[in-house]
Amino acid sequence: EAGVAQSPRYKIIEKRQSVAFWCNPISGHATLYWYQQILGQGPKLLIQFQNNGVVDDSQLPKDRFSAERLKGVDSTLKIQPAKLEDSAVYLCASSLIGGNTDTQYFGPGTRLTVL
Amino acid sequence: DAKTTQPPSMDCAEGRAANLPCNHSTISGNEYVYWYRQIHSQGPQYIIHGLKNNETNEMASLIITEDRKSSTLILPHATLRDTAVYYCIVRVATGANNLFFGTGTRLTVIP
Repeated sequence: EAGVAQSPRYKIIEKRQSVAFWCNPISGHATLYWYQQILGQGPKLLIQFQNNGVVDDSQLPKDRFSAERLKGVDSTLKIQPAKLEDSAVYLCASSLIGGNTDTQYFGPGTRLTVL
Repeated sequence: DAKTTQPPSMDCAEGRAANLPCNHSTISGNEYVYWYRQIHSQGPQYIIHGLKNNETNEMASLIITEDRKSSTLILPHATLRDTAVYYCIVRVATGANNLFFGTGTRLTVIP
């Protein structure tokens, strides 16, 4: 079974530029999550999708971050414009149905450096 | 979700059992204890979870105290590949199902 795929693995941009990350969840998984992990901290949830609808985006900085999950499969996370404090690893995870005892499977992450 | 407290770091000799403690003194009756780990440059990986009974799978054992205020993750025969940050997470059984990660315990397995 293929795992969660993410691209790119690394990205370096200058502040005020835009950047987009892509995630392909495990086939058949209805729920998709984006997490932000700042160096030295645990991952923090940004947004959760159930199929192509948003379940929770309370921690997403909506003035600069946006995410979509077209057709309930792949997802993209965009930052526009980027700030220095956005430097982090962006992790995508998926789970089968999104239940509270559902296991979340994580991708390898995209490491973003904002200069 | 209830907060958890873990030691920031631990060492373990290769081949010995690694016992990682977690305190969750404010846990509620409907909250599960989950363990994930994160190997360097990888995403977190699910290890095990439990409610009140001890649990064992191919990766580890989870021992939960009778009052459920603390738990211990046991890796029976640690290998160098077990070097990682281990996160103990308390997760509600209903409602919001996202994971709240703390800073975890950095386990270093020493040859």
